[in-house]
Amino acid sequence: EVQLLESGGGLVQPGRSLRLSCAASGFTFSSHAMSWVRQAPGKGLEWVSAISTSGDSTYYTDSVKGRFTISRDNSKNTLYLHMNSLRAEDAAVYYCATPISPAAAAGRLDSWGQGTLVTVSS
Amino acid sequence: DIQMTQSPSSLSASVGDRVTITCRASQDINNYLAWFQQKPGKAPKSLIYGTSSLQGGVPSKFSGSGSGTDFTLTISSLQPEDFATYYCQQYNTYPLTFGGGTKVEI
Repeated sequence: EVQLLESGGGLVQPGRSLRLSCAASGFTFSSHAMSWVRQAPGKGLEWVSAISTSGDSTYYTDSVKGRFTISRDNSKNTLYLHMNSLRAEDAAVYYCATPISPAAAAGRLDSWGQGTLVTVSS
Repeated sequence: DIQMTQSPSSLSASVGDRVTITCRASQDINNYLAWFQQKPGKAPKSLIYGTSSLQGGVPSKFSGSGSGTDFTLTISSLQPEDFATYYCQQYNTYPLTFGGGTKVEI
């Protein structure tokens, strides 16, 4: 069974940094593309970033380019999101998600974690 | 970027009703369209991928259809557990994009 467990969220001041982690189990992590999706309080879903199986290819939504970095450690079955220069508008629940099969399209978000809350406030 | 326009943004329905939600893409997405259900305080749950393929364990009262730029999610007979917010998503190209959501209320 696919399991994704996010951690690292919390309260952070504007302009500061935070690193989110997503621990994966129940599947061959190194064979799956991974994504981060966020949801601001009371708002809809917004895709943030994605990474290929090897980590060689990364993708970002425009609002986080240059501030956020997605990475993965396939030896630890863990996905990361390094967030710098945080803004109030980055406050959200952050989810990691993945296709259910390595053969599926990379952007298919079949399985999701439970999310971790990031609050940006002084 | 591909824009996903979902309608309606909310709807009121009764148990047993047939409900249809529409999603329009700003360009052809080659049927790379998914639907999600989200309940308050919970992570989204994937219902449908590839426009019309049901995820494992999803009841057959959910169905998806469409092609090109126009897609629909239909719930054939609404049950109490179906009251939730539904989102469409295109995964044809990056950046991945979601519709604004449809809240299905009693």
